[in-house]
Amino acid sequence: QSALTQPPSVSGSPGQSVTISCTGTSSDVGSYNRVSWYQQPPGTAPKLMIYEVSNRPSGVPDRFSGSKSGNTASLTISGLQAEDEADYYCSLYTSSSTNVVFGGGTKLTVL
Amino acid sequence: QVQLQESGPGLVKPSQTLSLTCTVSGGSISSGSYYWSWIRQPAGKGLEWIGRIYTSGSTNYNPSLKSRVTISVDTSKNQFSLKLSSVTAADTAVYYCAHDYGDYGWFDPWGQGTLVTVSS
Repeated sequence: QSALTQPPSVSGSPGQSVTISCTGTSSDVGSYNRVSWYQQPPGTAPKLMIYEVSNRPSGVPDRFSGSKSGNTASLTISGLQAEDEADYYCSLYTSSSTNVVFGGGTKLTVL
Repeated sequence: QVQLQESGPGLVKPSQTLSLTCTVSGGSISSGSYYWSWIRQPAGKGLEWIGRIYTSGSTNYNPSLKSRVTISVDTSKNQFSLKLSSVTAADTAVYYCAHDYGDYGWFDPWGQGTLVTVSS
């Protein structure tokens, strides 16, 4: 099972919206809804932001949203804030192989 | 919510076995249908899932590491552990433990992570 493909970097100005993509294949992202997203500011542990494609854990601002279309999952951050600057990772669990794969990560810069 | 804390040697010699422990606080490691995972991150690189253990003791491992990995649980100490054998410099990374929601495929919360360097 190959790693998921994310853009290395994205950027946006405060108040704008950005979308980070996470592309797999019809055998993984296209077949499973166990996609989650993690935020990792420098020097800290990852934090769960979205689970099962589009669900937000308690405490995560509603500026963060997730979706999926075909073989690509997406994380959208609206109303960008300086504190959103971090690395973001997607992950996928596939029950058929009982394995978890992560995307390569995307560095979000708030201009 | 539970909290997790990794512990273990920060330096391991090549060809030896890396051993880490994750202590769970704020709840019982064996309550509910919980899994517990290990995930690592080389410096400046992405995340890699190593494997997980269920409270019953059953395990799942990343196929790429399966031959070298053993994960175990000690419910009396509220801990679970990682052993990675025959390490090389490529195993140098920050190692995280995390609460794993099993077939739902997400991890929350994570420990703060511990750096393990493989060097002679």
